[in-house]
Amino acid sequence: AQSVSQHNHHVILSEAASLELGCNYSYGGTVNLFWYVQYPGQHLQLLLKYFSGDPLVKGIKGFEAEFIKSKFSFNLRKPSVQWSDTAEYFCAVRGSNYQLIWGAGTKLIIKP
Amino acid sequence: DTEVTQTPKHLVMGMTNKKSLKCEQHMGHRAMYWYKQKAKKPPELMFVYSYEKLSINESVPSRFSPECPNSSLLNLHLHALQPEDSALYLCASSQGTGVDGYTFGSGTRLTVV
Repeated sequence: AQSVSQHNHHVILSEAASLELGCNYSYGGTVNLFWYVQYPGQHLQLLLKYFSGDPLVKGIKGFEAEFIKSKFSFNLRKPSVQWSDTAEYFCAVRGSNYQLIWGAGTKLIIKP
Repeated sequence: DTEVTQTPKHLVMGMTNKKSLKCEQHMGHRAMYWYKQKAKKPPELMFVYSYEKLSINESVPSRFSPECPNSSLLNLHLHALQPEDSALYLCASSQGTGVDGYTFGSGTRLTVV
């Protein structure tokens, strides 16, 4: 069965620290991978996506992610986080027939 | 216009009420979705419309009834809901099957009393 696993449910960092959120997927077909962010009280926003080509993907707000096919991973990174990055982060893979398979989410708290 | 607009933002309804949630997009997307999101959980897919036809119904109870009047509009009709149906209801749209991603609305926060 298709699945997405996010290893860290809660992450607490200080401002300026580096961030890496793990995401592993299980899907046998061509992968389309996404990271979405949900700021408190706001809607889901697309941070970045991978479809094909360069496995290092750059997104909005200084985020990037690396697709490593051999590890079935798509980890999200940011070199220096800000207090405004406090949010819930969801990894997702596009499954068959329009469906998005979601990870459980990682709640990121940045201490000022 | 790169937005998905949902109304109302908040809704409180009794278990015998009938209400509707509305969703609108003008990006020319031909697939539209309803999701349900409980607190601190990822969204759960409810329905998918593709080219105004119901493509997926994820075994959603009949008290939820979707409608797609045209390619820009998506409604969710609610009737005889239960308190456990209280959640954030999200509408989304995509160009085609979602290869380029999905655009989400800000949601309707529904409380059933």
